[in-house]
Amino acid sequence: DGGITQSPKYLFRKEGQNVTLSCEQNLNHDAMYWYRQDPGQGLRLIYYSQIVNDFQKGDIAEGYSVSREKKESFPLTVTSAQKNPTAFYLCASIGSGGANYGYTFGSGTRLTVV
Amino acid sequence: KQEVTQIPAALSVPEGENLVLNCSFTDSAIYNLQWFRQDPGKGLTSLLLIQSSQREQTSGRLNASLDKSSGRSTLYIAASQPGDSATYLCAVSLSGSRLTFGEGTQLTVNP
Repeated sequence: DGGITQSPKYLFRKEGQNVTLSCEQNLNHDAMYWYRQDPGQGLRLIYYSQIVNDFQKGDIAEGYSVSREKKESFPLTVTSAQKNPTAFYLCASIGSGGANYGYTFGSGTRLTVV
Repeated sequence: KQEVTQIPAALSVPEGENLVLNCSFTDSAIYNLQWFRQDPGKGLTSLLLIQSSQREQTSGRLNASLDKSSGRSTLYIAASQPGDSATYLCAVSLSGSRLTFGEGTQLTVNP
């Protein structure tokens, strides 16, 4: 089945440590997105990429970094500069047919600082 | 800046009741609007996508309407079931790319 795979499902980060969240899709979608969700809140956009080797900052990019070396993959690194990283992280993609087909989301990664 | 508001924040209804969830947005120049369902600790599942030129979309017991001029959308759920219990999120896109989300309505359907 086509879809988006996020890993790991749960991730624990120590203070001052960088961690990388994986997002892989086999939908042949061009555009991919990273959102952050905090308890009781809607999703906020961190970074997005509309094509390989190109990406743009979203509303809350500080303390995060991304790469898009392959169409299928859009990993997110949470750096030590992100002071409040505990949250639920969701990856999404949208097809080249534009927004006509809507978004597809992964199942998320829950990151906790220990 | 686009802002999306969902009312109510939480709703509890008995099984079998018809219900309406509301979504409003401040910038009416949207490209499309999408309703999602989120179960606890899970990702988002797309329910309905309405293009800016459309007035409504239907899928099974779900019907979503869009009134761009007033900046409003409603999600109508007919004959609610306990399995409908989840958080429902509304999101709008201005460009067909990035989405702006509301904070969601947490729905509980009691048997």
